[in-house]
Amino acid sequence: QQQVKQSPQSLIVQKGGISIINCAYENTAFDYFPWYQQFPGKGPALLIAIRPDVSEKKEGRFTISFNKSAKQFSLHIMDSQPGDSATYFCAAFSGATNKLIFGTGTLLAVQP
Amino acid sequence: GAGVSQSPSNKVTEKGKDVELRCDPISGHTALYWYRQSLGQGLEFLIYFQGNSAPDKSGLPSDRFSAERTGGSVSTLTIQRTQQEDSAVYLCASSRNRDGYTFGSGTRLTVV
Repeated sequence: QQQVKQSPQSLIVQKGGISIINCAYENTAFDYFPWYQQFPGKGPALLIAIRPDVSEKKEGRFTISFNKSAKQFSLHIMDSQPGDSATYFCAAFSGATNKLIFGTGTLLAVQP
Repeated sequence: GAGVSQSPSNKVTEKGKDVELRCDPISGHTALYWYRQSLGQGLEFLIYFQGNSAPDKSGLPSDRFSAERTGGSVSTLTIQRTQQEDSAVYLCASSRNRDGYTFGSGTRLTVV
């Protein structure tokens, strides 16, 4: 059972463009939604996170938009750069189980 | 150390052999997680340790998989009688709270 659905599977964006990755969840017990960035040969690293009482969070070029009623959240990367090329994972955390559940990942390629 | 350390970084083993994967978490992090990442897939939860509590083993795929955490610090994931489908990257993460998951670089296991 895929508790966190992520799309697209892969994404190609031109330098300077906007990258958008979407995630959806079913379990309303989730109460923390982080995004992780993973470069080849490395473990995932926390990029940005949001709690469900906030509709948007921005850190530099990275923004999370959160729609609680639709149970959806998305990552926007503004002014995308070749150095942003990586795999991005959304995740959801439940305080009841103390586990992060990950989406299937999006491979982003930013072309120069 | 400053980060989560995993060893070995790569392991090639013959089908049917047992393997042990090691994780050294960040000092002071009470929670430790093991995840499995198959090629092109998301992160699959395996097992979770929190302090002295009984571990959450709900993600272990079969009884060939086991893990222990000694002294609330180092953890070892053991896979007995390895199969080709066990080939994946095994990631360890530690945290002090939900906001602070730190992953190691993983152990790439190849079963031939």
